[in-house]
Amino acid sequence: DADVTQTPRNRITKTGKRIMLECSQTKGHDRMYWYRQDPGLGLQLIYYSFDVKDINKGEISDGYSVSRQAQAKFSLSLESAIPNQTALYFCATSGRGSRTDTQYFGPGTRLTVL
Amino acid sequence: AQKVTQAQTEISVVEKEDVTLDCVYETRDTTYYLFWYKQPPSGELVFLIRRNSFDEQNEISGRYSWNFQKSTSSFNFTITASQVVDSAVYFCALRGNFGNEKLTFGTGTRLTIIP
Repeated sequence: DADVTQTPRNRITKTGKRIMLECSQTKGHDRMYWYRQDPGLGLQLIYYSFDVKDINKGEISDGYSVSRQAQAKFSLSLESAIPNQTALYFCATSGRGSRTDTQYFGPGTRLTVL
Repeated sequence: AQKVTQAQTEISVVEKEDVTLDCVYETRDTTYYLFWYKQPPSGELVFLIRRNSFDEQNEISGRYSWNFQKSTSSFNFTITASQVVDSAVYFCALRGNFGNEKLTFGTGTRLTIIP
C-alpha cells in the first residue's frame, strides 16, 4: 500500500463550488504539506503543518484553507473554486529532524474547475 | 530568499547518450539541503536524492550521478547511457535551515529520450 494517499485522484467541478482534497499518510511523519503544480511553474507551496496544532500559510494560500484532523490526515479545501485553481495538487509528508526531513509525495489530484 | 534555477526547459537525447541536467541555487543559509525529484508521465513525484551542504562528496547510484559544487552553487544531475524510461520531468529543490525549512522548487527540466 502507498505511504501517502490522496483522494480523489481526479475531480472536475464548477466555478463557485466547495471542494475538499484529502491526504492520508502511514509514514508516521509529523509534517505535512500541500502544493500545486502548474505547467512551467514547478511546485508552489499552499499550506504546511509541522504538527496537528501548527498550520502555516505557504506562498499561495489565498483561496484555500486546510484542516489537520490528525497526525496522519491533512485536508485542503477550496471554499469557492475558480477556473485558475485548475492544477495538479500534491500532498507531501516529512519527518522532523535534519536526517528525516525529505519530503515524500502522494500521487497527486488533478483538479479541473469549469 | 531562496531560489532554484533550472535553465534547461526541455532536453532531448538519443537513447544511450549521456545527459546532464543543470541546477543552480541561491540561499543565504550556511546549512541547506538539496534534492532531486523525478516526475514520469504518470504524474507522481519520485524522490531521487538528498544532499547536505556540508557534504560535497559526489554521489553515484547506478546510471545516475550528482555533482555538487558549492563554489558555483550548482547541483547537477547526470544520467549515463540514458534509457527511454528516463523520460520525465526532473525537479531540483532546495530546503533551508531552521526557520527556513520550506522546499523551494525549480521549474523543472523535461527530458525526452528518443529510442
